[in-house]
Amino acid sequence: QKEVEQDPGPLSVPEGAIVSLNCTYSNSAFQYFMWYRQYSRKGPELLMYTYSSGNKEDGRFTAQVDKSSKYISLFIRDSQPSDSATYLCAMRGGSYIPTFGRGTSLIVHP
Amino acid sequence: AAGVIQSPRHLIKEKRETATLKCYPIPRHDTVYWYQQGPGQDPQFLISFYEKMQSDKGSIPDRFSAQQFSDYHSELNMSSLELGDSALYFCASTLAVTDTQYFGPGTRLTVL
Repeated sequence: QKEVEQDPGPLSVPEGAIVSLNCTYSNSAFQYFMWYRQYSRKGPELLMYTYSSGNKEDGRFTAQVDKSSKYISLFIRDSQPSDSATYLCAMRGGSYIPTFGRGTSLIVHP
Repeated sequence: AAGVIQSPRHLIKEKRETATLKCYPIPRHDTVYWYQQGPGQDPQFLISFYEKMQSDKGSIPDRFSAQQFSDYHSELNMSSLELGDSALYFCASTLAVTDTQYFGPGTRLTVL
Protein backbone atom coordinates (compact mmCIF):
# COMPACT_ATOMS: atom_id res chain seq x y z
CA GLN A 1 0.00 0.00 0.00
CA LYS A 2 1.32 3.43 -0.98
CA GLU A 3 1.89 6.00 1.73
CA VAL A 4 -0.32 8.46 -0.13
CA GLU A 5 -3.48 7.37 -1.90
CA GLN A 6 -5.23 9.52 -4.49
CA ASP A 7 -7.99 8.56 -6.88
CA PRO A 8 -6.66 9.07 -10.43
CA GLY A 9 -10.08 9.95 -11.84
CA PRO A 10 -10.81 11.38 -14.30
CA LEU A 11 -13.21 13.71 -12.55
CA SER A 12 -15.47 15.50 -15.02
CA VAL A 13 -17.53 18.50 -13.88
CA PRO A 14 -19.44 21.32 -15.56
CA GLU A 15 -18.08 24.84 -15.52
CA GLY A 16 -18.99 26.67 -12.32
CA ALA A 17 -19.17 23.52 -10.19
CA ILE A 18 -17.41 23.11 -6.85
CA VAL A 19 -14.67 20.52 -7.16
CA SER A 20 -13.49 18.36 -4.28
CA LEU A 21 -10.15 16.55 -4.59
CA ASN A 22 -8.89 14.28 -1.84
CA CYS A 23 -5.95 12.28 -0.60
CA THR A 24 -5.49 9.88 2.27
CA TYR A 25 -2.20 8.95 3.83
CA SER A 26 -0.82 6.49 6.31
CA ASN A 27 2.32 8.14 7.70
CA SER A 28 1.42 10.02 10.88
CA ALA A 29 4.77 11.87 10.69
CA PHE A 30 3.55 13.98 7.77
CA GLN A 31 3.07 17.57 8.86
CA TYR A 32 3.36 19.63 5.70
CA PHE A 33 0.78 19.25 2.96
CA MET A 34 0.85 20.56 -0.56
CA TRP A 35 -1.29 20.59 -3.67
CA TYR A 36 0.28 20.86 -7.10
CA ARG A 37 -1.41 21.46 -10.44
CA GLN A 38 0.15 19.85 -13.48
CA TYR A 39 -0.93 20.67 -17.00
CA SER A 40 -0.21 18.16 -19.72
CA ARG A 41 3.50 17.96 -20.57
CA LYS A 42 4.37 20.61 -17.98
CA GLY A 43 6.00 20.52 -14.58
CA PRO A 44 3.93 20.54 -11.36
CA GLU A 45 3.04 24.03 -10.10
CA LEU A 46 2.56 24.60 -6.36
CA LEU A 47 -0.98 25.73 -5.57
CA MET A 48 -1.37 25.42 -1.83
CA TYR A 49 0.91 24.71 1.10
CA THR A 50 -0.38 24.06 4.61
CA TYR A 51 1.12 23.02 7.91
CA SER A 52 -0.66 20.62 10.26
CA SER A 53 -4.45 20.55 10.52
CA GLY A 54 -6.83 23.27 9.48
CA ASN A 55 -8.01 25.22 6.47
CA LYS A 56 -6.25 27.60 4.12
CA GLU A 57 -7.94 29.68 1.46
CA ASP A 58 -6.43 31.36 -1.58
CA GLY A 59 -8.86 32.83 -4.07
CA ARG A 60 -11.02 30.04 -5.45
CA PHE A 61 -8.93 27.36 -3.77
CA THR A 62 -9.34 26.01 -0.23
CA ALA A 63 -7.10 23.36 1.27
CA GLN A 64 -8.21 21.33 4.28
CA VAL A 65 -6.13 19.01 6.43
CA ASP A 66 -7.58 16.57 8.94
CA LYS A 67 -4.62 14.89 10.60
CA SER A 68 -6.81 12.82 12.90
CA SER A 69 -8.33 11.13 9.85
CA LYS A 70 -5.16 11.36 7.74
CA TYR A 71 -7.22 13.03 5.04
CA ILE A 72 -6.60 16.16 3.00
CA SER A 73 -8.80 17.96 0.53
CA LEU A 74 -8.59 20.67 -2.09
CA PHE A 75 -11.76 22.54 -3.02
CA ILE A 76 -12.06 24.60 -6.17
CA ARG A 77 -14.98 27.02 -6.33
CA ASP A 78 -16.50 28.30 -9.56
CA SER A 79 -14.41 25.86 -11.59
CA GLN A 80 -13.25 26.99 -15.02
CA PRO A 81 -12.18 25.04 -18.11
CA SER A 82 -8.67 26.41 -17.48
CA ASP A 83 -8.67 24.43 -14.22
CA SER A 84 -8.57 21.23 -16.27
CA ALA A 85 -5.33 19.57 -15.24
CA THR A 86 -3.94 16.85 -13.00
CA TYR A 87 -3.87 17.75 -9.31
CA LEU A 88 -1.19 16.11 -7.20
CA CYS A 89 -1.22 16.06 -3.45
CA ALA A 90 2.15 15.89 -1.71
CA MET A 91 3.19 15.74 1.90
CA ARG A 92 6.29 15.46 4.04
CA GLY A 93 7.50 15.15 7.59
CA GLY A 94 10.93 16.27 8.73
CA SER A 95 12.60 15.53 5.41
CA TYR A 96 12.38 18.11 2.62
CA ILE A 97 11.54 15.34 0.17
CA PRO A 98 7.79 15.18 -0.39
CA THR A 99 5.82 12.04 -1.06
CA PHE A 100 3.40 12.56 -3.92
CA GLY A 101 0.03 11.05 -4.70
CA ARG A 102 -0.59 9.73 -8.20
CA GLY A 103 -2.66 12.75 -9.13
CA THR A 104 -6.33 13.23 -10.01
CA SER A 105 -7.19 14.22 -13.56
CA LEU A 106 -9.82 17.01 -13.55
CA ILE A 107 -11.84 17.95 -16.60
CA VAL A 108 -14.02 21.06 -16.44
CA HIS A 109 -16.28 21.21 -19.46
CA PRO A 110 -17.99 24.42 -20.65
CA ALA B 1 9.99 35.79 -13.29
CA ALA B 2 12.72 33.35 -14.21
CA GLY B 3 11.79 29.70 -13.88
CA VAL B 4 13.63 26.41 -13.78
CA ILE B 5 15.07 25.54 -17.17
CA GLN B 6 15.58 21.99 -18.34
CA SER B 7 17.24 20.77 -21.47
CA PRO B 8 16.65 19.05 -23.69
CA ARG B 9 12.86 19.01 -23.56
CA HIS B 10 12.66 15.80 -25.55
CA LEU B 11 15.22 13.06 -25.97
CA ILE B 12 15.07 9.80 -27.85
CA LYS B 13 17.70 7.15 -27.18
CA GLU B 14 18.16 3.50 -27.86
CA LYS B 15 18.72 0.77 -25.30
CA ARG B 16 22.18 0.71 -23.76
CA GLU B 17 22.91 4.28 -24.85
CA THR B 18 23.70 7.12 -22.45
CA ALA B 19 21.85 10.37 -21.85
CA THR B 20 22.60 13.61 -20.04
CA LEU B 21 19.81 15.82 -18.74
CA LYS B 22 20.50 19.37 -17.61
CA CYS B 23 18.75 21.58 -15.09
CA TYR B 24 19.26 25.28 -14.50
CA PRO B 25 17.65 26.38 -11.22
CA ILE B 26 15.97 29.66 -10.54
CA PRO B 27 18.63 32.33 -9.91
CA ARG B 28 19.87 32.31 -6.29
CA HIS B 29 18.33 28.88 -5.63
CA ASP B 30 20.99 26.58 -4.22
CA THR B 31 19.12 23.29 -3.96
CA VAL B 32 18.14 21.04 -6.84
CA TYR B 33 15.94 17.94 -6.83
CA TRP B 34 15.51 15.35 -9.58
CA TYR B 35 12.31 13.36 -10.06
CA GLN B 36 11.20 10.65 -12.45
CA GLN B 37 7.54 10.46 -13.47
CA GLY B 38 6.28 7.49 -15.42
CA PRO B 39 2.99 7.63 -17.37
CA GLY B 40 0.11 8.11 -14.96
CA GLN B 41 2.47 7.88 -12.00
CA ASP B 42 3.45 10.24 -9.23
CA PRO B 43 6.88 11.88 -9.35
CA GLN B 44 9.47 9.62 -7.76
CA PHE B 45 12.33 11.37 -6.03
CA LEU B 46 15.76 10.42 -7.39
CA ILE B 47 18.39 12.65 -5.80
CA SER B 48 18.99 16.17 -4.51
CA PHE B 49 21.90 18.55 -4.11
CA TYR B 50 22.51 21.47 -1.79
CA GLU B 51 25.47 23.75 -2.36
CA LYS B 52 26.97 21.25 -4.80
CA MET B 53 26.86 18.39 -2.33
CA GLN B 54 24.45 15.47 -2.49
CA SER B 55 21.88 16.04 0.22
CA ASP B 56 19.36 13.23 -0.20
CA LYS B 57 19.16 10.08 -2.27
CA GLY B 58 15.99 8.36 -3.34
CA SER B 59 15.25 5.61 -5.81
CA ILE B 60 18.03 6.47 -8.22
CA PRO B 61 19.43 3.42 -10.07
CA ASP B 62 23.15 2.75 -9.88
CA ARG B 63 23.28 3.35 -13.65
CA PHE B 64 22.42 6.98 -13.01
CA SER B 65 24.62 9.64 -11.51
CA ALA B 66 24.21 13.34 -10.95
CA GLN B 67 26.10 16.36 -9.82
CA GLN B 68 25.65 20.04 -9.14
CA PHE B 69 28.17 22.51 -10.51
CA SER B 70 29.59 25.75 -9.15
CA ASP B 71 26.93 27.79 -10.98
CA TYR B 72 24.30 25.56 -9.29
CA HIS B 73 23.13 23.92 -12.47
CA SER B 74 22.80 20.17 -12.26
CA GLU B 75 23.20 17.29 -14.67
CA LEU B 76 21.67 13.83 -14.50
CA ASN B 77 23.75 11.24 -16.33
CA MET B 78 22.03 8.04 -17.33
CA SER B 79 23.93 5.07 -18.72
CA SER B 80 22.97 1.65 -20.10
CA LEU B 81 19.49 2.96 -20.78
CA GLU B 82 16.62 0.52 -20.49
CA LEU B 83 13.11 0.66 -21.93
CA GLY B 84 11.78 1.24 -18.42
CA ASP B 85 13.75 4.47 -18.15
CA SER B 86 11.28 6.11 -20.54
CA ALA B 87 9.63 8.81 -18.44
CA LEU B 88 9.39 12.48 -17.70
CA TYR B 89 12.33 13.73 -15.69
CA PHE B 90 11.69 16.81 -13.62
CA CYS B 91 14.08 19.08 -11.88
CA ALA B 92 12.93 21.33 -9.05
CA SER B 93 14.82 24.06 -7.24
CA THR B 94 14.50 25.79 -3.88
CA LEU B 95 16.33 28.05 -1.55
CA ALA B 96 17.58 25.81 1.21
CA VAL B 97 15.83 27.83 3.89
CA THR B 98 12.43 27.31 2.30
CA ASP B 99 10.88 24.17 0.94
CA THR B 100 8.66 25.50 -1.80
CA GLN B 101 9.87 23.47 -4.75
CA TYR B 102 9.61 25.10 -8.16
CA PHE B 103 9.50 22.54 -10.93
CA GLY B 104 10.89 22.82 -14.42
CA PRO B 105 8.94 21.78 -17.53
CA GLY B 106 10.64 18.39 -17.60
CA THR B 107 12.58 16.34 -20.11
CA ARG B 108 10.66 13.59 -21.85
CA LEU B 109 13.00 10.66 -22.38
CA THR B 110 11.99 7.90 -24.73
CA VAL B 111 14.13 4.77 -24.88
CA LEU B 112 13.56 2.60 -27.95
